Amino acid sequence: AQTVTQSQPEMSVQEAETVTLSCTYDTSESDYYLFWYKQPPSRQMILVIRQEAYKQQNATENRFSVNFQKAAKSFSLKISDSQLGDAAMYFCAYRSVAGANSKLTFGKGITLSVRP
Amino acid sequence: EAGVAQSPRYKIIEKRQSVAFWCNPISGHATLYWYQQILGQGPKLLIQFQNNGVVDDSQLPKDRFSAERLKGVDSTLKIQPAKLEDSAVYLCASSLPRGAGKTDTQYFGPGTRLTVL
Repeated sequence: AQTVTQSQPEMSVQEAETVTLSCTYDTSESDYYLFWYKQPPSRQMILVIRQEAYKQQNATENRFSVNFQKAAKSFSLKISDSQLGDAAMYFCAYRSVAGANSKLTFGKGITLSVRP
Repeated sequence: EAGVAQSPRYKIIEKRQSVAFWCNPISGHATLYWYQQILGQGPKLLIQFQNNGVVDDSQLPKDRFSAERLKGVDSTLKIQPAKLEDSAVYLCASSLPRGAGKTDTQYFGPGTRLTVL
């Protein structure tokens, strides 16, 4: 079974600075997807960024980018130019490609606070 | 485009009572998921539907939880009888079927916060 580990429960960043959130995972599969989701206090899960494991190029979405290290099974999220609206819980998630099951396996999440 | 709708947003019940949650997925999304998110943890899949068929319900406590998706659109998740440990946020998500590439991303509803006293 796949597992996702987010070992940092909380992080804090100054507005306009850069912060990196860590995630590691364990799998025996060679092809899969990795995601970062944001969950603000409203509880709605919002997709931040997605990475296909077969792609060597790191995914980027505006101020959000990932550092995907397949051999190390590491998938960190970098937020540049942090804004107050980035304050939320961030979840790393794994999804298998094989089979009909599309379930997401989530880590425990990390609470990000942004200091003005 | 309307998002995933869920109701109610909040529910407080006594243990051993029953409760039901409703989800309306994004139009055209054949796949529907129910996740349970206990405070301080990431969501855990309870059940996945493809149209009105069950793909995975291995994590669903079937002695007390049930879910249905009649006509392959709306879905209802029921708990009967509720236990204290069922206190959690219940998230519904939907997506296009597997094989749709990037567009099979899961989109989540706002969730229902259940408190069992």
